[in-house]
Amino acid sequence: AQSVTQPDIHITVSEGASLELRCNYSYGATPYLFWYVQSPGQGLQLLLKYFSGDTLVQGIKGFEAEFKRSQSSFNLRKPSVHWSDAAEYFCAVGGVNTGKLIFGQGTTLQVKP
Amino acid sequence: NAGVTQTPKFQVLKTGQSMTLQCAQDMNHEYMSWYRQDPGMGLRLIHYSVGAGITDQGEVPNGYNVSRSTTEDFPLRLLSAAPSQTSVYFCASSPGTGGFGQPQHFGDGTRLSIL
Repeated sequence: AQSVTQPDIHITVSEGASLELRCNYSYGATPYLFWYVQSPGQGLQLLLKYFSGDTLVQGIKGFEAEFKRSQSSFNLRKPSVHWSDAAEYFCAVGGVNTGKLIFGQGTTLQVKP
Repeated sequence: NAGVTQTPKFQVLKTGQSMTLQCAQDMNHEYMSWYRQDPGMGLRLIHYSVGAGITDQGEVPNGYNVSRSTTEDFPLRLLSAAPSQTSVYFCASSPGTGGFGQPQHFGDGTRLSIL
């Protein structure tokens, strides 16, 4: 079955600390992987995407993610978190011409001053 | 460039009423889709369209209808609203090239309450 799991529902980090949000997927074909961020009351904004090639991808706002095929993971990282990063983060997987994008349950990030 | 526009932003309905959630995009995207977002469940695909005149069901299609008569518009119809359809609804679009492998652009959502 196709699925995305974000094991951490809620994470709290101190401002300036590093961050890693976990994402594991199950997908039968070559996956296209995404991370989106959602601020309260807003739609989803694309942070970064992986289609092929270099397994370490850079995104907006200083985020990066690493695709590890052997672990079926696509974890999101940031070296130093800012208070404005507090939001909900979604990992998603899709494929070429499948017509479907499958989302994880989301991870809520709280940033302590 | 407005991107993806959803109307209304908020709506309260009574059980059994019908309504249409509007979605329009001005990016000439071929792919459009509707998701619902519920706490702890992420976003779930309701219906999607790969071009004008073509629609298909997603993960949770029951109780919803869609049509795609133009490239720009993709309305979602609730035929007979039920409290279980209380949710936040998002419309998204993406370019046709690469299919849904392309990143999707999301609207700001419609917050729907069914009493």
